[in-house]
Amino acid sequence: DAKTTQPNSMESNEEEPVHLPCNHSTISGTDYIHWYRQLPSQGPEYVIHGLTSNVNNRMASLAIAEDRKSSTLILHRATLRDAAVYYCMAGGTSYGKLTFGQGTILTVHP
Amino acid sequence: GAVVSQHPSWVICKSGTSVKIECRSLDFQATTMFWYRQFPKQSLMLMATSNEGSKATYEQGVEKDKFLINHASLTLSTLTVTSAHPEDSSFYICSAPTTGTEAFFGQGTRLTVV
Repeated sequence: DAKTTQPNSMESNEEEPVHLPCNHSTISGTDYIHWYRQLPSQGPEYVIHGLTSNVNNRMASLAIAEDRKSSTLILHRATLRDAAVYYCMAGGTSYGKLTFGQGTILTVHP
Repeated sequence: GAVVSQHPSWVICKSGTSVKIECRSLDFQATTMFWYRQFPKQSLMLMATSNEGSKATYEQGVEKDKFLINHASLTLSTLTVTSAHPEDSSFYICSAPTTGTEAFFGQGTRLTVV
């Protein structure tokens, strides 16, 4: 799996968009980009994943740079329930076997 | 979506005793499950890969005789922490991949050894 780099923490206000960046400069051509989040005292939950094209789902959007060396998770309207640690991972097709980095602690202010 | 359930959610045990944690896939079959450990304010660390019908594969540095893993059916994997000590106190989390592209995690088990 490629090494990923994320900011330690970010803050946002409720109902504002949040852009969480991730660098994965050593990503290989077949590595997917995965995002998971972990709410306090819970197991992680899947957020979104992508390979080359930008992706949207009901939870978030994933913007992938053209060279794939970075990506951005976009929460369109942050809520207090989005406060969590967000993990970005870039790896192969061994879904489920994930290598977690330190992630970004997102704080959402009311 | 798919559901992975862990039991118990929390457990307190005395030093030297063994504790069993169960991980079940409720609405899908999982030939492979993964066990992670998370210490306070740290990230998740993969401990082992649980394989249905065969031996588990442990990550480097994880004692296989201390952390016994059994994957006896397509919906159940168990992690037994043997002769637990205070340094084994941690948050243990299991996950199972589906045929899709996402992994589903249990809610975690907080183990406290006193």
